[in-house]
Amino acid sequence: DAGVIQSPRHEVTEMGQEVTLRCKPISGHDYLFWYRQTMMRGLELLIYFNNNVPIDDSGMPEDRFSAKMPNASFSTLKIQPSEPRDSAVYFCASSFGQQNTGELFFGEGSRLTVL
Amino acid sequence: KNQVEQSPQSLIILEGKNCTLQCNYTVSPFSNLRWYKQDTGRGPVSLTIMTFSENTKSNGRYTATLDADTKQSSLHITASQLSDSASYICVVSGEWVSGGYNKLIFGAGTRLAVHP
Repeated sequence: DAGVIQSPRHEVTEMGQEVTLRCKPISGHDYLFWYRQTMMRGLELLIYFNNNVPIDDSGMPEDRFSAKMPNASFSTLKIQPSEPRDSAVYFCASSFGQQNTGELFFGEGSRLTVL
Repeated sequence: KNQVEQSPQSLIILEGKNCTLQCNYTVSPFSNLRWYKQDTGRGPVSLTIMTFSENTKSNGRYTATLDADTKQSSLHITASQLSDSASYICVVSGEWVSGGYNKLIFGAGTRLAVHP
């Protein structure tokens, strides 16, 4: 398997613009996670899905952030409108089974810069 | 408060030398502890996963130890190579929350640089 695939790898946009990040999890994995990584705060969980259903979105910073998983092989994280403080690396990760036993596989990340 | 603290923040060693990274946690209840390696510009990659009953686990030149009584873990790297230069993140799996998910608490990481 090719692993978790994220796109784009890099995104530079201006404040106020809409940003859409994409993720293809590993085939057969039933959990999908979106994380954000910054120097100041490290890795933070934004939202996770189980069998395409959003389970916990308490980590989503505010209403400007939204995530969807229309099917088992695709998820998006959208920021609208974007702000400079959203600049970070966004990781998608997937796992099989309950997370206390399932190994977490991360994608290579999408580096977002909002000017 | 559930926390994972790693030390040192950064470390420089010479190629071929050994090193040990530390992780202390206050997460309760405890499910398992993981070490990840994150190369610059890449996503984290799992090195080891240890449950409560496991004291040590190896993955090649990486050996992780766990003392659940003192809530401490270490990652020992033997005969370091230039490719070991990366951030090493300690992650503790804790309380069971909605949807069958044990919340992961991430440490800030130790940045290791191996010099020739």
